[in-house]
Amino acid sequence: QVQLQESGPGLVKSSETLSLTCTVSGGSVNGGSYYWTWIRQPPGKGLEWIGYSYYSGFSNYNPSLKSRFSISVDRSKDQFSLKVTSVTAADTAVYYCARGDGSGYYNLDSWGRGISVTVSS
Amino acid sequence: QTVVTQEPSLTVSPGGTVTLTCASSTGTVTSDYYPNWFQQKPGQAPRPLIYSTRYRHSWTPARFSGSLLGGKAALTLSGVQPEDEADYYCLFYRGGVHVFGGGTRLTVL
Repeated sequence: QVQLQESGPGLVKSSETLSLTCTVSGGSVNGGSYYWTWIRQPPGKGLEWIGYSYYSGFSNYNPSLKSRFSISVDRSKDQFSLKVTSVTAADTAVYYCARGDGSGYYNLDSWGRGISVTVSS
Repeated sequence: QTVVTQEPSLTVSPGGTVTLTCASSTGTVTSDYYPNWFQQKPGQAPRPLIYSTRYRHSWTPARFSGSLLGGKAALTLSGVQPEDEADYYCLFYRGGVHVFGGGTRLTVL
């Protein structure tokens, strides 16, 4: 059973860049039809899909979000990452990483536990 | 940008049946939207329940079922248990992007 674990800073200052990493164990980011996804949830609010990347580097993002978000896959470490530039208080949220199955089902079948990120002024 | 609408809240009695729905601003929801359903309890990560409209994950109890109903995606809980009290989210995949519904808070009372 694949497992995902988020890591990164719990606190970041406004206008700085947030970098989060998701480590995949019990599986690999390489190959197959899986895509690697980030989702976030502001305090007391619903889930927001941020974007995904395949191991090939092909990626896609939530069109409602500005181009401050980027996702990359590190095939050598079985990790994938999220970068958010110029953060503001609105980026305060629990960030989840998840695996998507692109083999025709498009389901997010494995999730990390989430990491809470606070943007301070 | 597609907007996905769910009932904000529903209440059901233990042992009862309840149906949660997800509507799309683009029109009728079909299997090509690959509806997913997730359950989230306080302080926990979302747990996948249903994918591609009607398929249960290996860990999903049989009392959860997914379908298309009246132009929407639907999640039906039959024989509701107290532990089913949670927030439920749907997720669509359309045109290469995912979009979540706003969530339904299910109260078992």
